[in-house]
Parts: sequence; C-alpha cells; structure tokens
Amino acid sequence: KAGVTQTPRYLIKTRGQQVTLSCSPISGHRSVSWYQQTPGQGLQFLFEYFSETQRNKGNFPGRFSGRQFSNSRSEMNVSTLELGDSALYLCASSLVSVSSYNSPLHFGNGTRLTVT
Amino acid sequence: GQQVMQIPQYQHVQEGEDFTTYCNSSTTLSNIQWYKQRPGGHPVFLIQLVKSGEVKKQKRLTFQFGEAKKNSSLHITATQTTDVGTYFCAGKDSNYQLIWGAGTKLIIKP
Repeated sequence: KAGVTQTPRYLIKTRGQQVTLSCSPISGHRSVSWYQQTPGQGLQFLFEYFSETQRNKGNFPGRFSGRQFSNSRSEMNVSTLELGDSALYLCASSLVSVSSYNSPLHFGNGTRLTVT
Repeated sequence: GQQVMQIPQYQHVQEGEDFTTYCNSSTTLSNIQWYKQRPGGHPVFLIQLVKSGEVKKQKRLTFQFGEAKKNSSLHITATQTTDVGTYFCAGKDSNYQLIWGAGTKLIIKP
C-alpha cells in the first residue's frame, strides 16, 4: 500500500503570496489532518478533515484553510504569507476520524515551506 | 486548555546507556500514542496504550501507561545510533481530541 503523499516537497515563496499544499492519504483512509512543525517546536495542529467535512480546527489564523475532496485527497491553503509561516507542513491520514478511539496517524514526508 | 507536558526536552546519552521520556497530563486520558521522528523525517507511529497500568514492550523499548491514565513513559534500554530522533507522545482527552507533547530529542554523544 502506498503511503501518504505530500506535494510539493519544497516550496519557496515571498511574503504576501499564497500557497497550496496537497496531500493524498493512504488508500481507504478517510481522515486527513494537517500539522505545522517549526524547529524546536512540537507538532501544532491545524485542522482535520473527515469525509469532506472539517472536524476540528487548531488555533491558527483564518489565513490557513483547507478542504478535502470526495477521493479523500486534501489541500491546505495559506494566504498572505508571513515570514513566520516558514515551517514543515505535515499531513497525516487515518482510517477513521482522529476523534475515534483507535486512530493511529500515518504521516507524509511533509512540505517544507520557506517564506522570504 | 488541556496540555500534555513531555520531559525532558533533550537527552544526551552515550551509546549503550538507557533513555527515558515522560509525559504528564493534567486530565485523564482515554489512551496515549507514541511516535518517533528521525532527523529529517516524519513522525512514525510506534504504539498505542489504552488500559490503566498497561505496559508494552517492543524489543528494547518499554512503554507504560500510568494507573490514573494521566502519565506515560517510554524507556529505551541500551540505546543504539538507530534510536536517534525525537519521541512524541500524544494523548486522547475525554473528547477524543489528540493532545501532543512537545517531544524529547534523543542525542547520542560521539
């Protein structure tokens, strides 16, 4: 079974631009969660999508948005980029919603975003 | 909000020494998961603990879930270079939301 695929792997953008990141979950997985990871920081939860609906949202500004398609693929969009948005963005899929009792996460390799 | 405190932030060990990381929650957790992230890699699921007082072993790794289901630990016996990385715990609160610890970075001294 193919793992979680994130594209692109690396991205360089300038302040004020917007960016879209893509995540294809493991086949059959219906939940996709997004995390931001900065050096020395843990995993900061952005949001979770399950069956095309946003199930949960972290404490990030409205510039961060996402969506999920009927095939469970998900995209994350960040508008009006700021220098502080430079980070590794990780996508994780699970068979069922994260709020289910038993739902280990399977992470992709991430997209490393650099904002200059 | 609910937090899971994970300590220490870093641990430097000589190869062959033991390593332990601890997670403590202010509230009772329904279960706890452990992940490992190698340098330059992504987190990989290691294990999930569910029962009060549960202990699980994976070769040199021993995972424990406290009796009150508020704390957990990961112990590695006789560390090897392949153990290098950051270990994260993630606990599920009463609403089944996943609360992440900040991670413990295991560094092997040269």
